[in-house]
Amino acid sequence: GAGVSQSPSNKVTEKGKDVELRCDPISGHTALYWYRQSLGQGLEFLIYFQGNSAPDKSGLPSDRFSAERTGGSVSTLTIQRTQQEDSAVYLCASSFRQGDEQYFGPGTRLTVT
Amino acid sequence: AQSVTQLGSHVSVSEGALVLLRCNYSSSVPPYLFWYVQYPNQGLQLLLKYTTGATLVKGINGFEAEFKKSETSFHLTKPSAHMSDAAEYFCAVSPFYSSASKIIFGSGTRLSIRP
Repeated sequence: GAGVSQSPSNKVTEKGKDVELRCDPISGHTALYWYRQSLGQGLEFLIYFQGNSAPDKSGLPSDRFSAERTGGSVSTLTIQRTQQEDSAVYLCASSFRQGDEQYFGPGTRLTVT
Repeated sequence: AQSVTQLGSHVSVSEGALVLLRCNYSSSVPPYLFWYVQYPNQGLQLLLKYTTGATLVKGINGFEAEFKKSETSFHLTKPSAHMSDAAEYFCAVSPFYSSASKIIFGSGTRLSIRP
């Protein structure tokens, strides 16, 4: 079966513009996570969706960041008024249920110029 | 509350030598434990996991890890390093029964292999 997919794979944007990053999780997975990974750094948790529960937004670095998950499947991470420090690889992962192993997508490399 | 500590942000070993990557965790409840590997310019993939039962867990590519409750450790080992093992390795912990908490990842250990 298909794994987690993310689009676009690369995104270059100008400072101040808004961007949308998309994640298609594995079908049937109830949990979906977004992480940010800066060059040579570990994973920074951003947000987590579990079924129909309210998302855990505790990792979002500022109110410029938001995410939604429609129909319990596809998720979109939106960054408004991008800044250069937003440049990173954004990783999405899904799991069958919370606590299970996560399956990661290939990531979206965001570059803000 | 849970936390994960990976000792050593960078480990270098010679090809054919033992690989030992250290991971200690803190958890107030019985944990699930994971090791993930990230090859350059790729996403993370699961190497192995411990849930319940046998404390010695075998994973892909000849790696294994042992859950030691008394030491709160889950160190990753491989008897003989190969050049293809060069990557970033992440340890992670999650509470196995709680739907309220998320997986916590360590800061990662970069493994380099010397010819």
